[in-house]
Amino acid sequence: ETGVTQSPTHLIKTRGQQVTLRCSSQSGHNTVSWYQQALGQGPQFIFQYYREEENGRGNFPPRFSGLQFPNYSSELNVNALELDDSALYLCASSLPGTGNSPLHFGNGTRLTVT
Amino acid sequence: DQQVKQNSPSLSVQEGRISILNCDYTNSMFDYFLWYKKYPAEGPTFLISISSIKDKNEDGRFTVFLNKSAKHLSLHIVPSQPGDSAVYFCAASAYQTGGGNKLTFGTGTQLKVEL
Repeated sequence: ETGVTQSPTHLIKTRGQQVTLRCSSQSGHNTVSWYQQALGQGPQFIFQYYREEENGRGNFPPRFSGLQFPNYSSELNVNALELDDSALYLCASSLPGTGNSPLHFGNGTRLTVT
Repeated sequence: DQQVKQNSPSLSVQEGRISILNCDYTNSMFDYFLWYKKYPAEGPTFLISISSIKDKNEDGRFTVFLNKSAKHLSLHIVPSQPGDSAVYFCAASAYQTGGGNKLTFGTGTQLKVEL
């Protein structure tokens, strides 16, 4: 069973630039969620994708956008990067459903904005 | 507004003893509660969950207790082992229209199990 994989593992960008982070979901999982974890904080929900459609969004501005592909892999795009976007970005896959379908997380992408 | 709170940023326990990690929540619409463990440079790993209609769930060395009236849950690890040293996150889920399972996380508790 292949777990959730994310790329790249680390990334350094300059304020104002754009970034794309990638995620391959665990085999058999068709729902992908993205979370942002700032230093010393718990992960915060950005959005979730199911059947290539956004299916729930947290309190993040529109410059955070995403895609899900037919093979269930996903991308997170962030435009006009700000210093506060520096964080660990976690992708998680799951079966569709409510809270009894645990999320399986990747190891994350560490984004540093300078 | 922090809907899920873990007020102890760290906890130190001796090997073989019980570790008790606590979590409080404010949103009465949460219907599932989950605990995740996170090692450095890895993503969170699911440990155990509990439905809001239950008050206890046990899985091996891990037991989660839920007190709905107090809006409080706890994770008990018995016996604690050095490999349990990690950051533990409490998370909660509420039903969303259109489906989906957005998790709201606490800020985590760093558990250190000492020899």
